Amino acid sequence: ILNVEQSPQSLHVQEGDSTNFTCSFPSSNFYALHWYRWETAKSPEALFVMTLNGDEKKKGRISATLNTKEGYSYLYIKGSQPEDSATYLCAEAGGTSYGKLTFGQGTILTVHP
Amino acid sequence: DTGVSQDPRHKITKRGQNVTFRCDPISEHNRLYWYRQTLGQGPEFLTYFQNEAQLEKSRLLSDRFSAERPKGSFSTLEIQRTEQGDSAMYLCASSFGMNTEAFFGQGTRLTVV
Repeated sequence: ILNVEQSPQSLHVQEGDSTNFTCSFPSSNFYALHWYRWETAKSPEALFVMTLNGDEKKKGRISATLNTKEGYSYLYIKGSQPEDSATYLCAEAGGTSYGKLTFGQGTILTVHP
Repeated sequence: DTGVSQDPRHKITKRGQNVTFRCDPISEHNRLYWYRQTLGQGPEFLTYFQNEAQLEKSRLLSDRFSAERPKGSFSTLEIQRTEQGDSAMYLCASSFGMNTEAFFGQGTRLTVV
């Protein structure tokens, strides 16, 4: 993998459903993996920053895991609510000795009431 | 500190004109990033600074784009001889190191007519 890639590109779920997204990243020169939520007309806001292989982080109904050896991270949302509708971005800090922050294209989540 | 601020919020310019955007990061943050975002895409890396040093500039960026952070505080992004393809949202973000979350400004939306 040469770039940060996210899947799926978009997702429609019903209120109450649980869902998950994938972020794949180059596993060489890795420093950190970031997840952001970007709501319409707002700025992206950080959810998690993870650095260690096997890291798991949780904030309310949202959690994330990290596998640096194989170069992927999962973001999980339990019991989706309409207010969870947003674009979810992951970003890798790495790739060079200075650790620039490179974003994927995002997963657009729409939660229907 | 009220967060990352960008100015202006919107800019409409005629093709061929030069434009300059400003970003004021969170004061204690040493890293400052510039990204460009177009519809349906994630933030595309343009350049970033650690203090006043410009660490990397995207190879996709033409010579018409230049950025500065003269005193390691605010930064400016200049686009010379704008083209219609430069129309996008220009985002600035700052952080303290690569392993901490980045905080984003509201962005500057550029429209080249």
